[in-house]
Amino acid sequence: DAEITQSPRHKITETGRQVTLACHQTWNHNNMFWYRQDLGHGLRLIHYSYGVQDTNKGEVSDGYSVSRSNTEDLPLTLESAASSQTSVYFCASTAGEAGELFFGEGSRLTVL
Amino acid sequence: GQNIDQPTEMTATEGAIVQINCTYQTSGFNGLFWYQQHAGEAPTFLSYNVLDGLEEKGRFSSFLSRSKGYSYLLLKELQMKDSASYLCAALDSNYQLIWGAGTKLIIKP
Repeated sequence: DAEITQSPRHKITETGRQVTLACHQTWNHNNMFWYRQDLGHGLRLIHYSYGVQDTNKGEVSDGYSVSRSNTEDLPLTLESAASSQTSVYFCASTAGEAGELFFGEGSRLTVL
Repeated sequence: GQNIDQPTEMTATEGAIVQINCTYQTSGFNGLFWYQQHAGEAPTFLSYNVLDGLEEKGRFSSFLSRSKGYSYLLLKELQMKDSASYLCAALDSNYQLIWGAGTKLIIKP
């Protein structure tokens, strides 16, 4: 069965460290997204990609970067982790512009 | 600006019916989604409406009024497993999803 997986599921790091969250999907979807979810907020878009070599900034992209070297993967990098980046991060993919989003299980990141 | 409003929390009784409302203001509109999210888990797709009217899918139905910028999710014959957060999201003219903060639904026996 096709799926979308994230790793690690839980991570604790220190302020200033670089962190990379992995996202891998086997749906063969062109569109991939990274969201963060915090209490009291809806899902907020960090970065997204509509295909290989395509990346775009979302509403809360500062301090984050992504790369898309193949269809399956969209890793999210925090260049220098800050306590404000403590959150739950969800990767998602979809086949088309108005299609159902398939989410990964989430990665809970704590920055101390 | 773009905005989605939905109640923060609702409580209902097992076996009853509950309606979760969502109002939206977006730059253009290409449809409205409802997702269910159990605590500690990922959101999962429930419904998508782009035309006015009611779409029924088993115990769950979703309604859309484009002229009023309004949608609701109707859950019938509530079960304890329906305790979850329900996320409303509107697709704007650029096909970007605008998310509400979610409605936490508590089901009591």
